[in-house]
Amino acid sequence: DSGVTQTPKHLITATGQRVTLRCSPRSGDLSVYWYQQSLDQGLQFLIQYYNGEERAKGNILERFSAQQFPDLHSELNLSSLELGDSALYFCASSVGPGDLTFGSGTRLTVV
Amino acid sequence: EDKVVQSPLSLVVHEGDTVTLNCSYEVTNFRSLLWYKQEKKAPTFLFMLTSSGIEKKSGRLSSILDKKELFSILNITATQTGDSAVYLCAVGSGGSNYKLTFGKGTLLTVNP
Repeated sequence: DSGVTQTPKHLITATGQRVTLRCSPRSGDLSVYWYQQSLDQGLQFLIQYYNGEERAKGNILERFSAQQFPDLHSELNLSSLELGDSALYFCASSVGPGDLTFGSGTRLTVV
Repeated sequence: EDKVVQSPLSLVVHEGDTVTLNCSYEVTNFRSLLWYKQEKKAPTFLFMLTSSGIEKKSGRLSSILDKKELFSILNITATQTGDSAVYLCAVGSGGSNYKLTFGKGTLLTVNP
């Protein structure tokens, strides 16, 4: 157990729907990162939060949004889902710049 | 745009062989280079390198960084079937906007 908790582990939903993925960082970590992993693209950085503030943005679609709450947990919202959004979504956390600790991921399947 | 390229993309070896995995990068505001191992699920941290020429070692795994030539290698000696995994190279960049940019990984298969 890495200390980073992601829920749910699996999610199956239909095209056009909206889902929310949740992440609780490791105790003491202020930074939360979201990554998308698909077979052909590898691990793609989506967005980073530090203590509730957005700090860095990657290739995150406009249909996707995220936030980090005062208790430091984070949510990634994916809307108007398309088949191509099917992927493994990872959350990771860190104390500061350095190595990230990853959660077990949420496998999203859009049908 | 930050870029991390790993080679080879896949590799099949026999137990006991030594393997070398390669990682080259182009990033703005480099801070560190990291190696992760990914088996079924979450990537797990192996090494973080920040200085050129200093080898980091953990058991049969070792890694070194060349900041002049912008590459790193990960060596695994006396491979075992349990080493079979995807090995990911990532580069840390930025200041307050720190992030890791990952390569696509090298899939290592170790056959008995």
